[in-house]
Amino acid sequence: QVQLVQSGAEVKKPGASVKVSCRASGYIFSNYDIHWVRQAPGQGLEWMGRMNTGIANTEYSQDFQGRVTISRDTSANTAYMELRSLRSEDTAVYYCARRRALDLYYNYAMDVWGQGTTVTVSS
Amino acid sequence: DIQLTQSPSFLSASVGDRVAITCRASQGISNSLAWYQQKPGIAPKLLIYGAFSLQSGVPSRFSGSGSGTEFTLTISSLQPEDFATYYCQQLNSYPLTFGGGTRVEIK
Repeated sequence: QVQLVQSGAEVKKPGASVKVSCRASGYIFSNYDIHWVRQAPGQGLEWMGRMNTGIANTEYSQDFQGRVTISRDTSANTAYMELRSLRSEDTAVYYCARRRALDLYYNYAMDVWGQGTTVTVSS
Repeated sequence: DIQLTQSPSFLSASVGDRVAITCRASQGISNSLAWYQQKPGIAPKLLIYGAFSLQSGVPSRFSGSGSGTEFTLTISSLQPEDFATYYCQQLNSYPLTFGGGTRVEIK
């Protein structure tokens, strides 16, 4: 079945970097964008950025510009999100999600989500 | 950036109640709006896309309406499994944004 499986939980010190993976299965990986969304403890959802996995162009939230890089390995059907210069406020669950057009009118939404990866930043 | 304001932020209701959650956009987004349900510790689940289209497998008690700047998610008869947090999301332009969420709890 269609699914996104993310890498396991991470604990990092302030100033370090983290790289989270998102492996796709059950569909043609390069046909759909992968987006990254995070959720701090007890907070709402925050969009971080996306990659067109076919041509590898990216778009990032200005809130993370310069600190985040989204990449992919098409041979492994895997997308990655690297966040640098971590601070305590980056402690959150990080999700990848597939964006797909769900009808003939190109109405898009995030229809498949990874299980989430908890990143804890603590000294 | 397009801001999405959800109301209410918290809703207490009983099983069988009809509930409505509103999402207002800071500028027109046509019908490029989705609704998600999230339960604690679980990834969001897509309910509605294109403002009013029901995602496959989602019960018909969920419905969406609206266009432009004002949107509504309605649950016609609240069931025990519907107690969760609901988010709207605009997909009209980057950066994509989410509403602040509406937590639906049992009265």
